[in-house]
Amino acid sequence: DVVMTQSPLSLPVTPGAPASISCRSSQSLLHSNGYNYLDWYLQKPGQSPQLLIYLGSNRASGVPDRFSGGGSGTDFTLKISRVEAEDVGIYYCMQGLQTPAITFGQGTRLEIK
Amino acid sequence: QLQLQESGPGLVEPSETLSLTCTVSGGSHITDPSFWGWIRQPPGKGLEWLGTIHYSGTTYDNPSLKSRLSLSIDTSKNQFSLRLSSVTAADTAVYFCAKQGYCSSTTCYRFDSWGQGALVTVSS
Repeated sequence: DVVMTQSPLSLPVTPGAPASISCRSSQSLLHSNGYNYLDWYLQKPGQSPQLLIYLGSNRASGVPDRFSGGGSGTDFTLKISRVEAEDVGIYYCMQGLQTPAITFGQGTRLEIK
Repeated sequence: QLQLQESGPGLVEPSETLSLTCTVSGGSHITDPSFWGWIRQPPGKGLEWLGTIHYSGTTYDNPSLKSRLSLSIDTSKNQFSLRLSSVTAADTAVYFCAKQGYCSSTTCYRFDSWGQGALVTVSS
């Protein structure tokens, strides 16, 4: 299986400051069609996960533009330009280049300082 | 607005079969060209993909479940279902259903709408 490794696992951030989460995969997620099969999700406390970014860098509908996704191959990054209190929760990356299954990273907990 | 709602027993005995149904409502028919997935989350832990079904009935599932998983879809009721056989305590989790943008035997992406989740406890 493709192993997804996120860092850091815990991320305390001051409101208004930027934040960055790394996600590395054990195999390349770049398909021959040019897409990276890497999504980002946020699970706010007590809620279901919600889609933030899909195919590496595409922001989902309704997601604020302070969220951006980048990277290619095995190294990906989720960036928040200015963290707000509502951004608290656990962030997960997910790979969809099935070998042989969809897998998630272990999660990064973002908290407000 | 699309809504997904999981339903089913909250308690299942070991070795029995866990069954859950997801009802889709609010503007999207289950036969719209979409894929429908199941993901679970053990208490205090991360996310695990279980499987995905297309409205045509084609399924993709996680081999780690060792053929215990069965997915089905009822287009007349706008519902899709999960059955997980021979459960153990390790299957205790919150089970989420979700709408997925695309899935095939090689590539999948974008769980863009999720249900609120249903806690299923495996215990005698």
